[in-house]
Amino acid sequence: AQSVTQPDIHITVSEGASLELRCNYSYGATPYLFWYVQSPGQGLQLLLKYFSGDTLVQGIKGFEAEFKRSQSSFNLRKPSVHWSDAAEYFCAVGAKTSYDKVIFGPGTSLSVIP
Amino acid sequence: NAGVMQNPRHLVRRRGQEARLRCSPMKGHSHVYWYRQLPEEGLKFMVYLQKENIIDESGMPKERFSAEFPKEGPSILRIQQVVRGDSAAYFCASSPPSRDTGLSFGQGTRLTVV
Repeated sequence: AQSVTQPDIHITVSEGASLELRCNYSYGATPYLFWYVQSPGQGLQLLLKYFSGDTLVQGIKGFEAEFKRSQSSFNLRKPSVHWSDAAEYFCAVGAKTSYDKVIFGPGTSLSVIP
Repeated sequence: NAGVMQNPRHLVRRRGQEARLRCSPMKGHSHVYWYRQLPEEGLKFMVYLQKENIIDESGMPKERFSAEFPKEGPSILRIQQVVRGDSAAYFCASSPPSRDTGLSFGQGTRLTVV
């Protein structure tokens, strides 16, 4: 069965601190992996994606993520968090099929302390 | 180049009424996806459509829900005889024929059933 797990429901970090959001997936085929961010009352914005190649991918807003096949993980990182990063973060997985249907994790809510 | 446009942004319906949610994909995008987000939950896939075709409706409730993407005009998600449990945010996403960009999301329609 396809599934995405985000073990941390809510994380609080101080502004300027580093951040790592965890994501684990279960998928029967080689996955496409995504991280999206959702600000309150807004839609989802794509932060970064992994399709193939280099397992460390760079995204927008200073975010990066590393694909580790052996651990079925795709953790999101940022070296220094800004107050504007407070939002909901969703990990998602898709397949190399003919279309882009993705399965989303439950999300991690990030709070940033000034 | 406008993004994915959804309207209305907010919709209030009484129990038993019909709700019609509209989605215009990004220019050049021919694939449309509908997702539902319940409070405190991630996004759940509902249906994937191309022009005049439903490709995957595995996430659609069997009753009261329908979707279409006509040759001309926006995609429509229709909920008949709404109930309180239909209250949620409904997001539309689109993607181009090539599979290298991920999904682009609209800002959602927040349906409240009173």
